Amino acid sequence: SQKIEQNSEALNIQEGKTATLTCNYTNYSPAYLQWYRQDPGRGPVFLLLIRENEKEKRKERLKVTFDTTLKQSLFHITASQPADSATYLCALEGNFNKFYFGSGTKLNVKP
Amino acid sequence: DVKVTQSSRYLVKRTGEKVFLECVQDMDHENMFWYRQDPGLGLRLIYFSYDVKMKEKGDIPEGYSVSREKKERFSLILESASTNQTSMYLCASSFRQLGGYTFGSGTRLTVV
Repeated sequence: SQKIEQNSEALNIQEGKTATLTCNYTNYSPAYLQWYRQDPGRGPVFLLLIRENEKEKRKERLKVTFDTTLKQSLFHITASQPADSATYLCALEGNFNKFYFGSGTKLNVKP
Repeated sequence: DVKVTQSSRYLVKRTGEKVFLECVQDMDHENMFWYRQDPGLGLRLIYFSYDVKMKEKGDIPEGYSVSREKKERFSLILESASTNQTSMYLCASSFRQLGGYTFGSGTRLTVV
């Protein structure tokens, strides 16, 4: 079955630096991949969707890459701010428009 | 502002009770989903529906059922609540593959 791996250890970075989060997957060839932000006690909020034929996608300070050969997606936040502190989830498309989620990586941006 | 509304933020129920979790979306989305989220396990799909009166099992449907009588409403039913169903329950909706899921704020259910 498909497996989605995100680093379970929190990522701690200094304000202003670029945060890079990783999502690896196996036994799988999704056509779409999404990234979400989740704050404590809240539901995830959709950030970006990238298709398998798009190598890179940007939205303001966010950048996502999708390498179908490496079976990996990287999520970058440039010029990070303390308000970016949250857990970030990747999700991969399955059948019937349903997505499988990773467990998420917690990002801590320190002032 | 478009949204997904879950009826309760916090719920405490006794073992053996029948529990209803309600979810309503106002975006005319075809697809609706129920997930549970547990520490270290991430979001796991319980059931989903891609049309009225349609339902499909997700990865962990045991002990749950669902109902979708109207397009905007998707209900999750715990037939006989057990302590291992203590969790955060999240409802989501989507319009096919455009954009992403819109999630509700979640219901934290505790079964005692």
